[in-house]
Amino acid sequence: NAGVTQTPKFRVLKTGQSMTLLCAQDMNHEYMYWYRQDPGMGLRLIHYSVGEGTTAKGEVPDGYNVSRLKKQNFLLGLESAAPSQTSVYFCASSYGGGSGELFFGEGSRLTVL
Amino acid sequence: KQEVTQIPAALSVPEGENLVLNCSFTDSAIYNLQWFRQDPGKGLTSLLLIQSSQREQTSGRLNASLDKSSGRSTLYIAASQPGDSATYLCAVRSYGQNFVFGPGTRLSVLP
Repeated sequence: NAGVTQTPKFRVLKTGQSMTLLCAQDMNHEYMYWYRQDPGMGLRLIHYSVGEGTTAKGEVPDGYNVSRLKKQNFLLGLESAAPSQTSVYFCASSYGGGSGELFFGEGSRLTVL
Repeated sequence: KQEVTQIPAALSVPEGENLVLNCSFTDSAIYNLQWFRQDPGKGLTSLLLIQSSQREQTSGRLNASLDKSSGRSTLYIAASQPGDSATYLCAVRSYGQNFVFGPGTRLSVLP
């Protein structure tokens, strides 16, 4: 049982390049989330999804896009990377409703030069 | 808007001590509260989930309590070990909001 899997785990980009982070979960969860974690800033929600085909903005959505074409996958895209997007990105998932437990992936470390 | 704080920010204890980590939240209308552990360079591992109707949860040497009326949760770690060294975060799920995370407590257990 893999849980929540993120790819790639490490990536270095140049300013202006684009890339996509993939999150896959095998727990049949309805809700999926993308967070970024920066020193001194804690975990901040970028975008989230409450079901297949739905997405919504979180706390820091600017510069990112997401898609949830399949229930098990949640993609995070950077169209034109900026140095301010250097961070560790975490995907998480939970069952729908308020009481679901949150499960995290191992993280993807992105550096934008 | 829910706000979550954790005290202390860092803690260093000798091996074998019992210790308490604190989590405070401002809005008592919550679904649940979850405690996580994060090792350096790793993801967050769920330790305990307390639903709003519960007062405490236990797993091995860990016990988490919840007092909604006072907006507080504590994580009690018994007989601490060097392997317990990590950052511990709490997260609160409130009505109509996503999970809100505290800044974490960085724990060092010295052999």
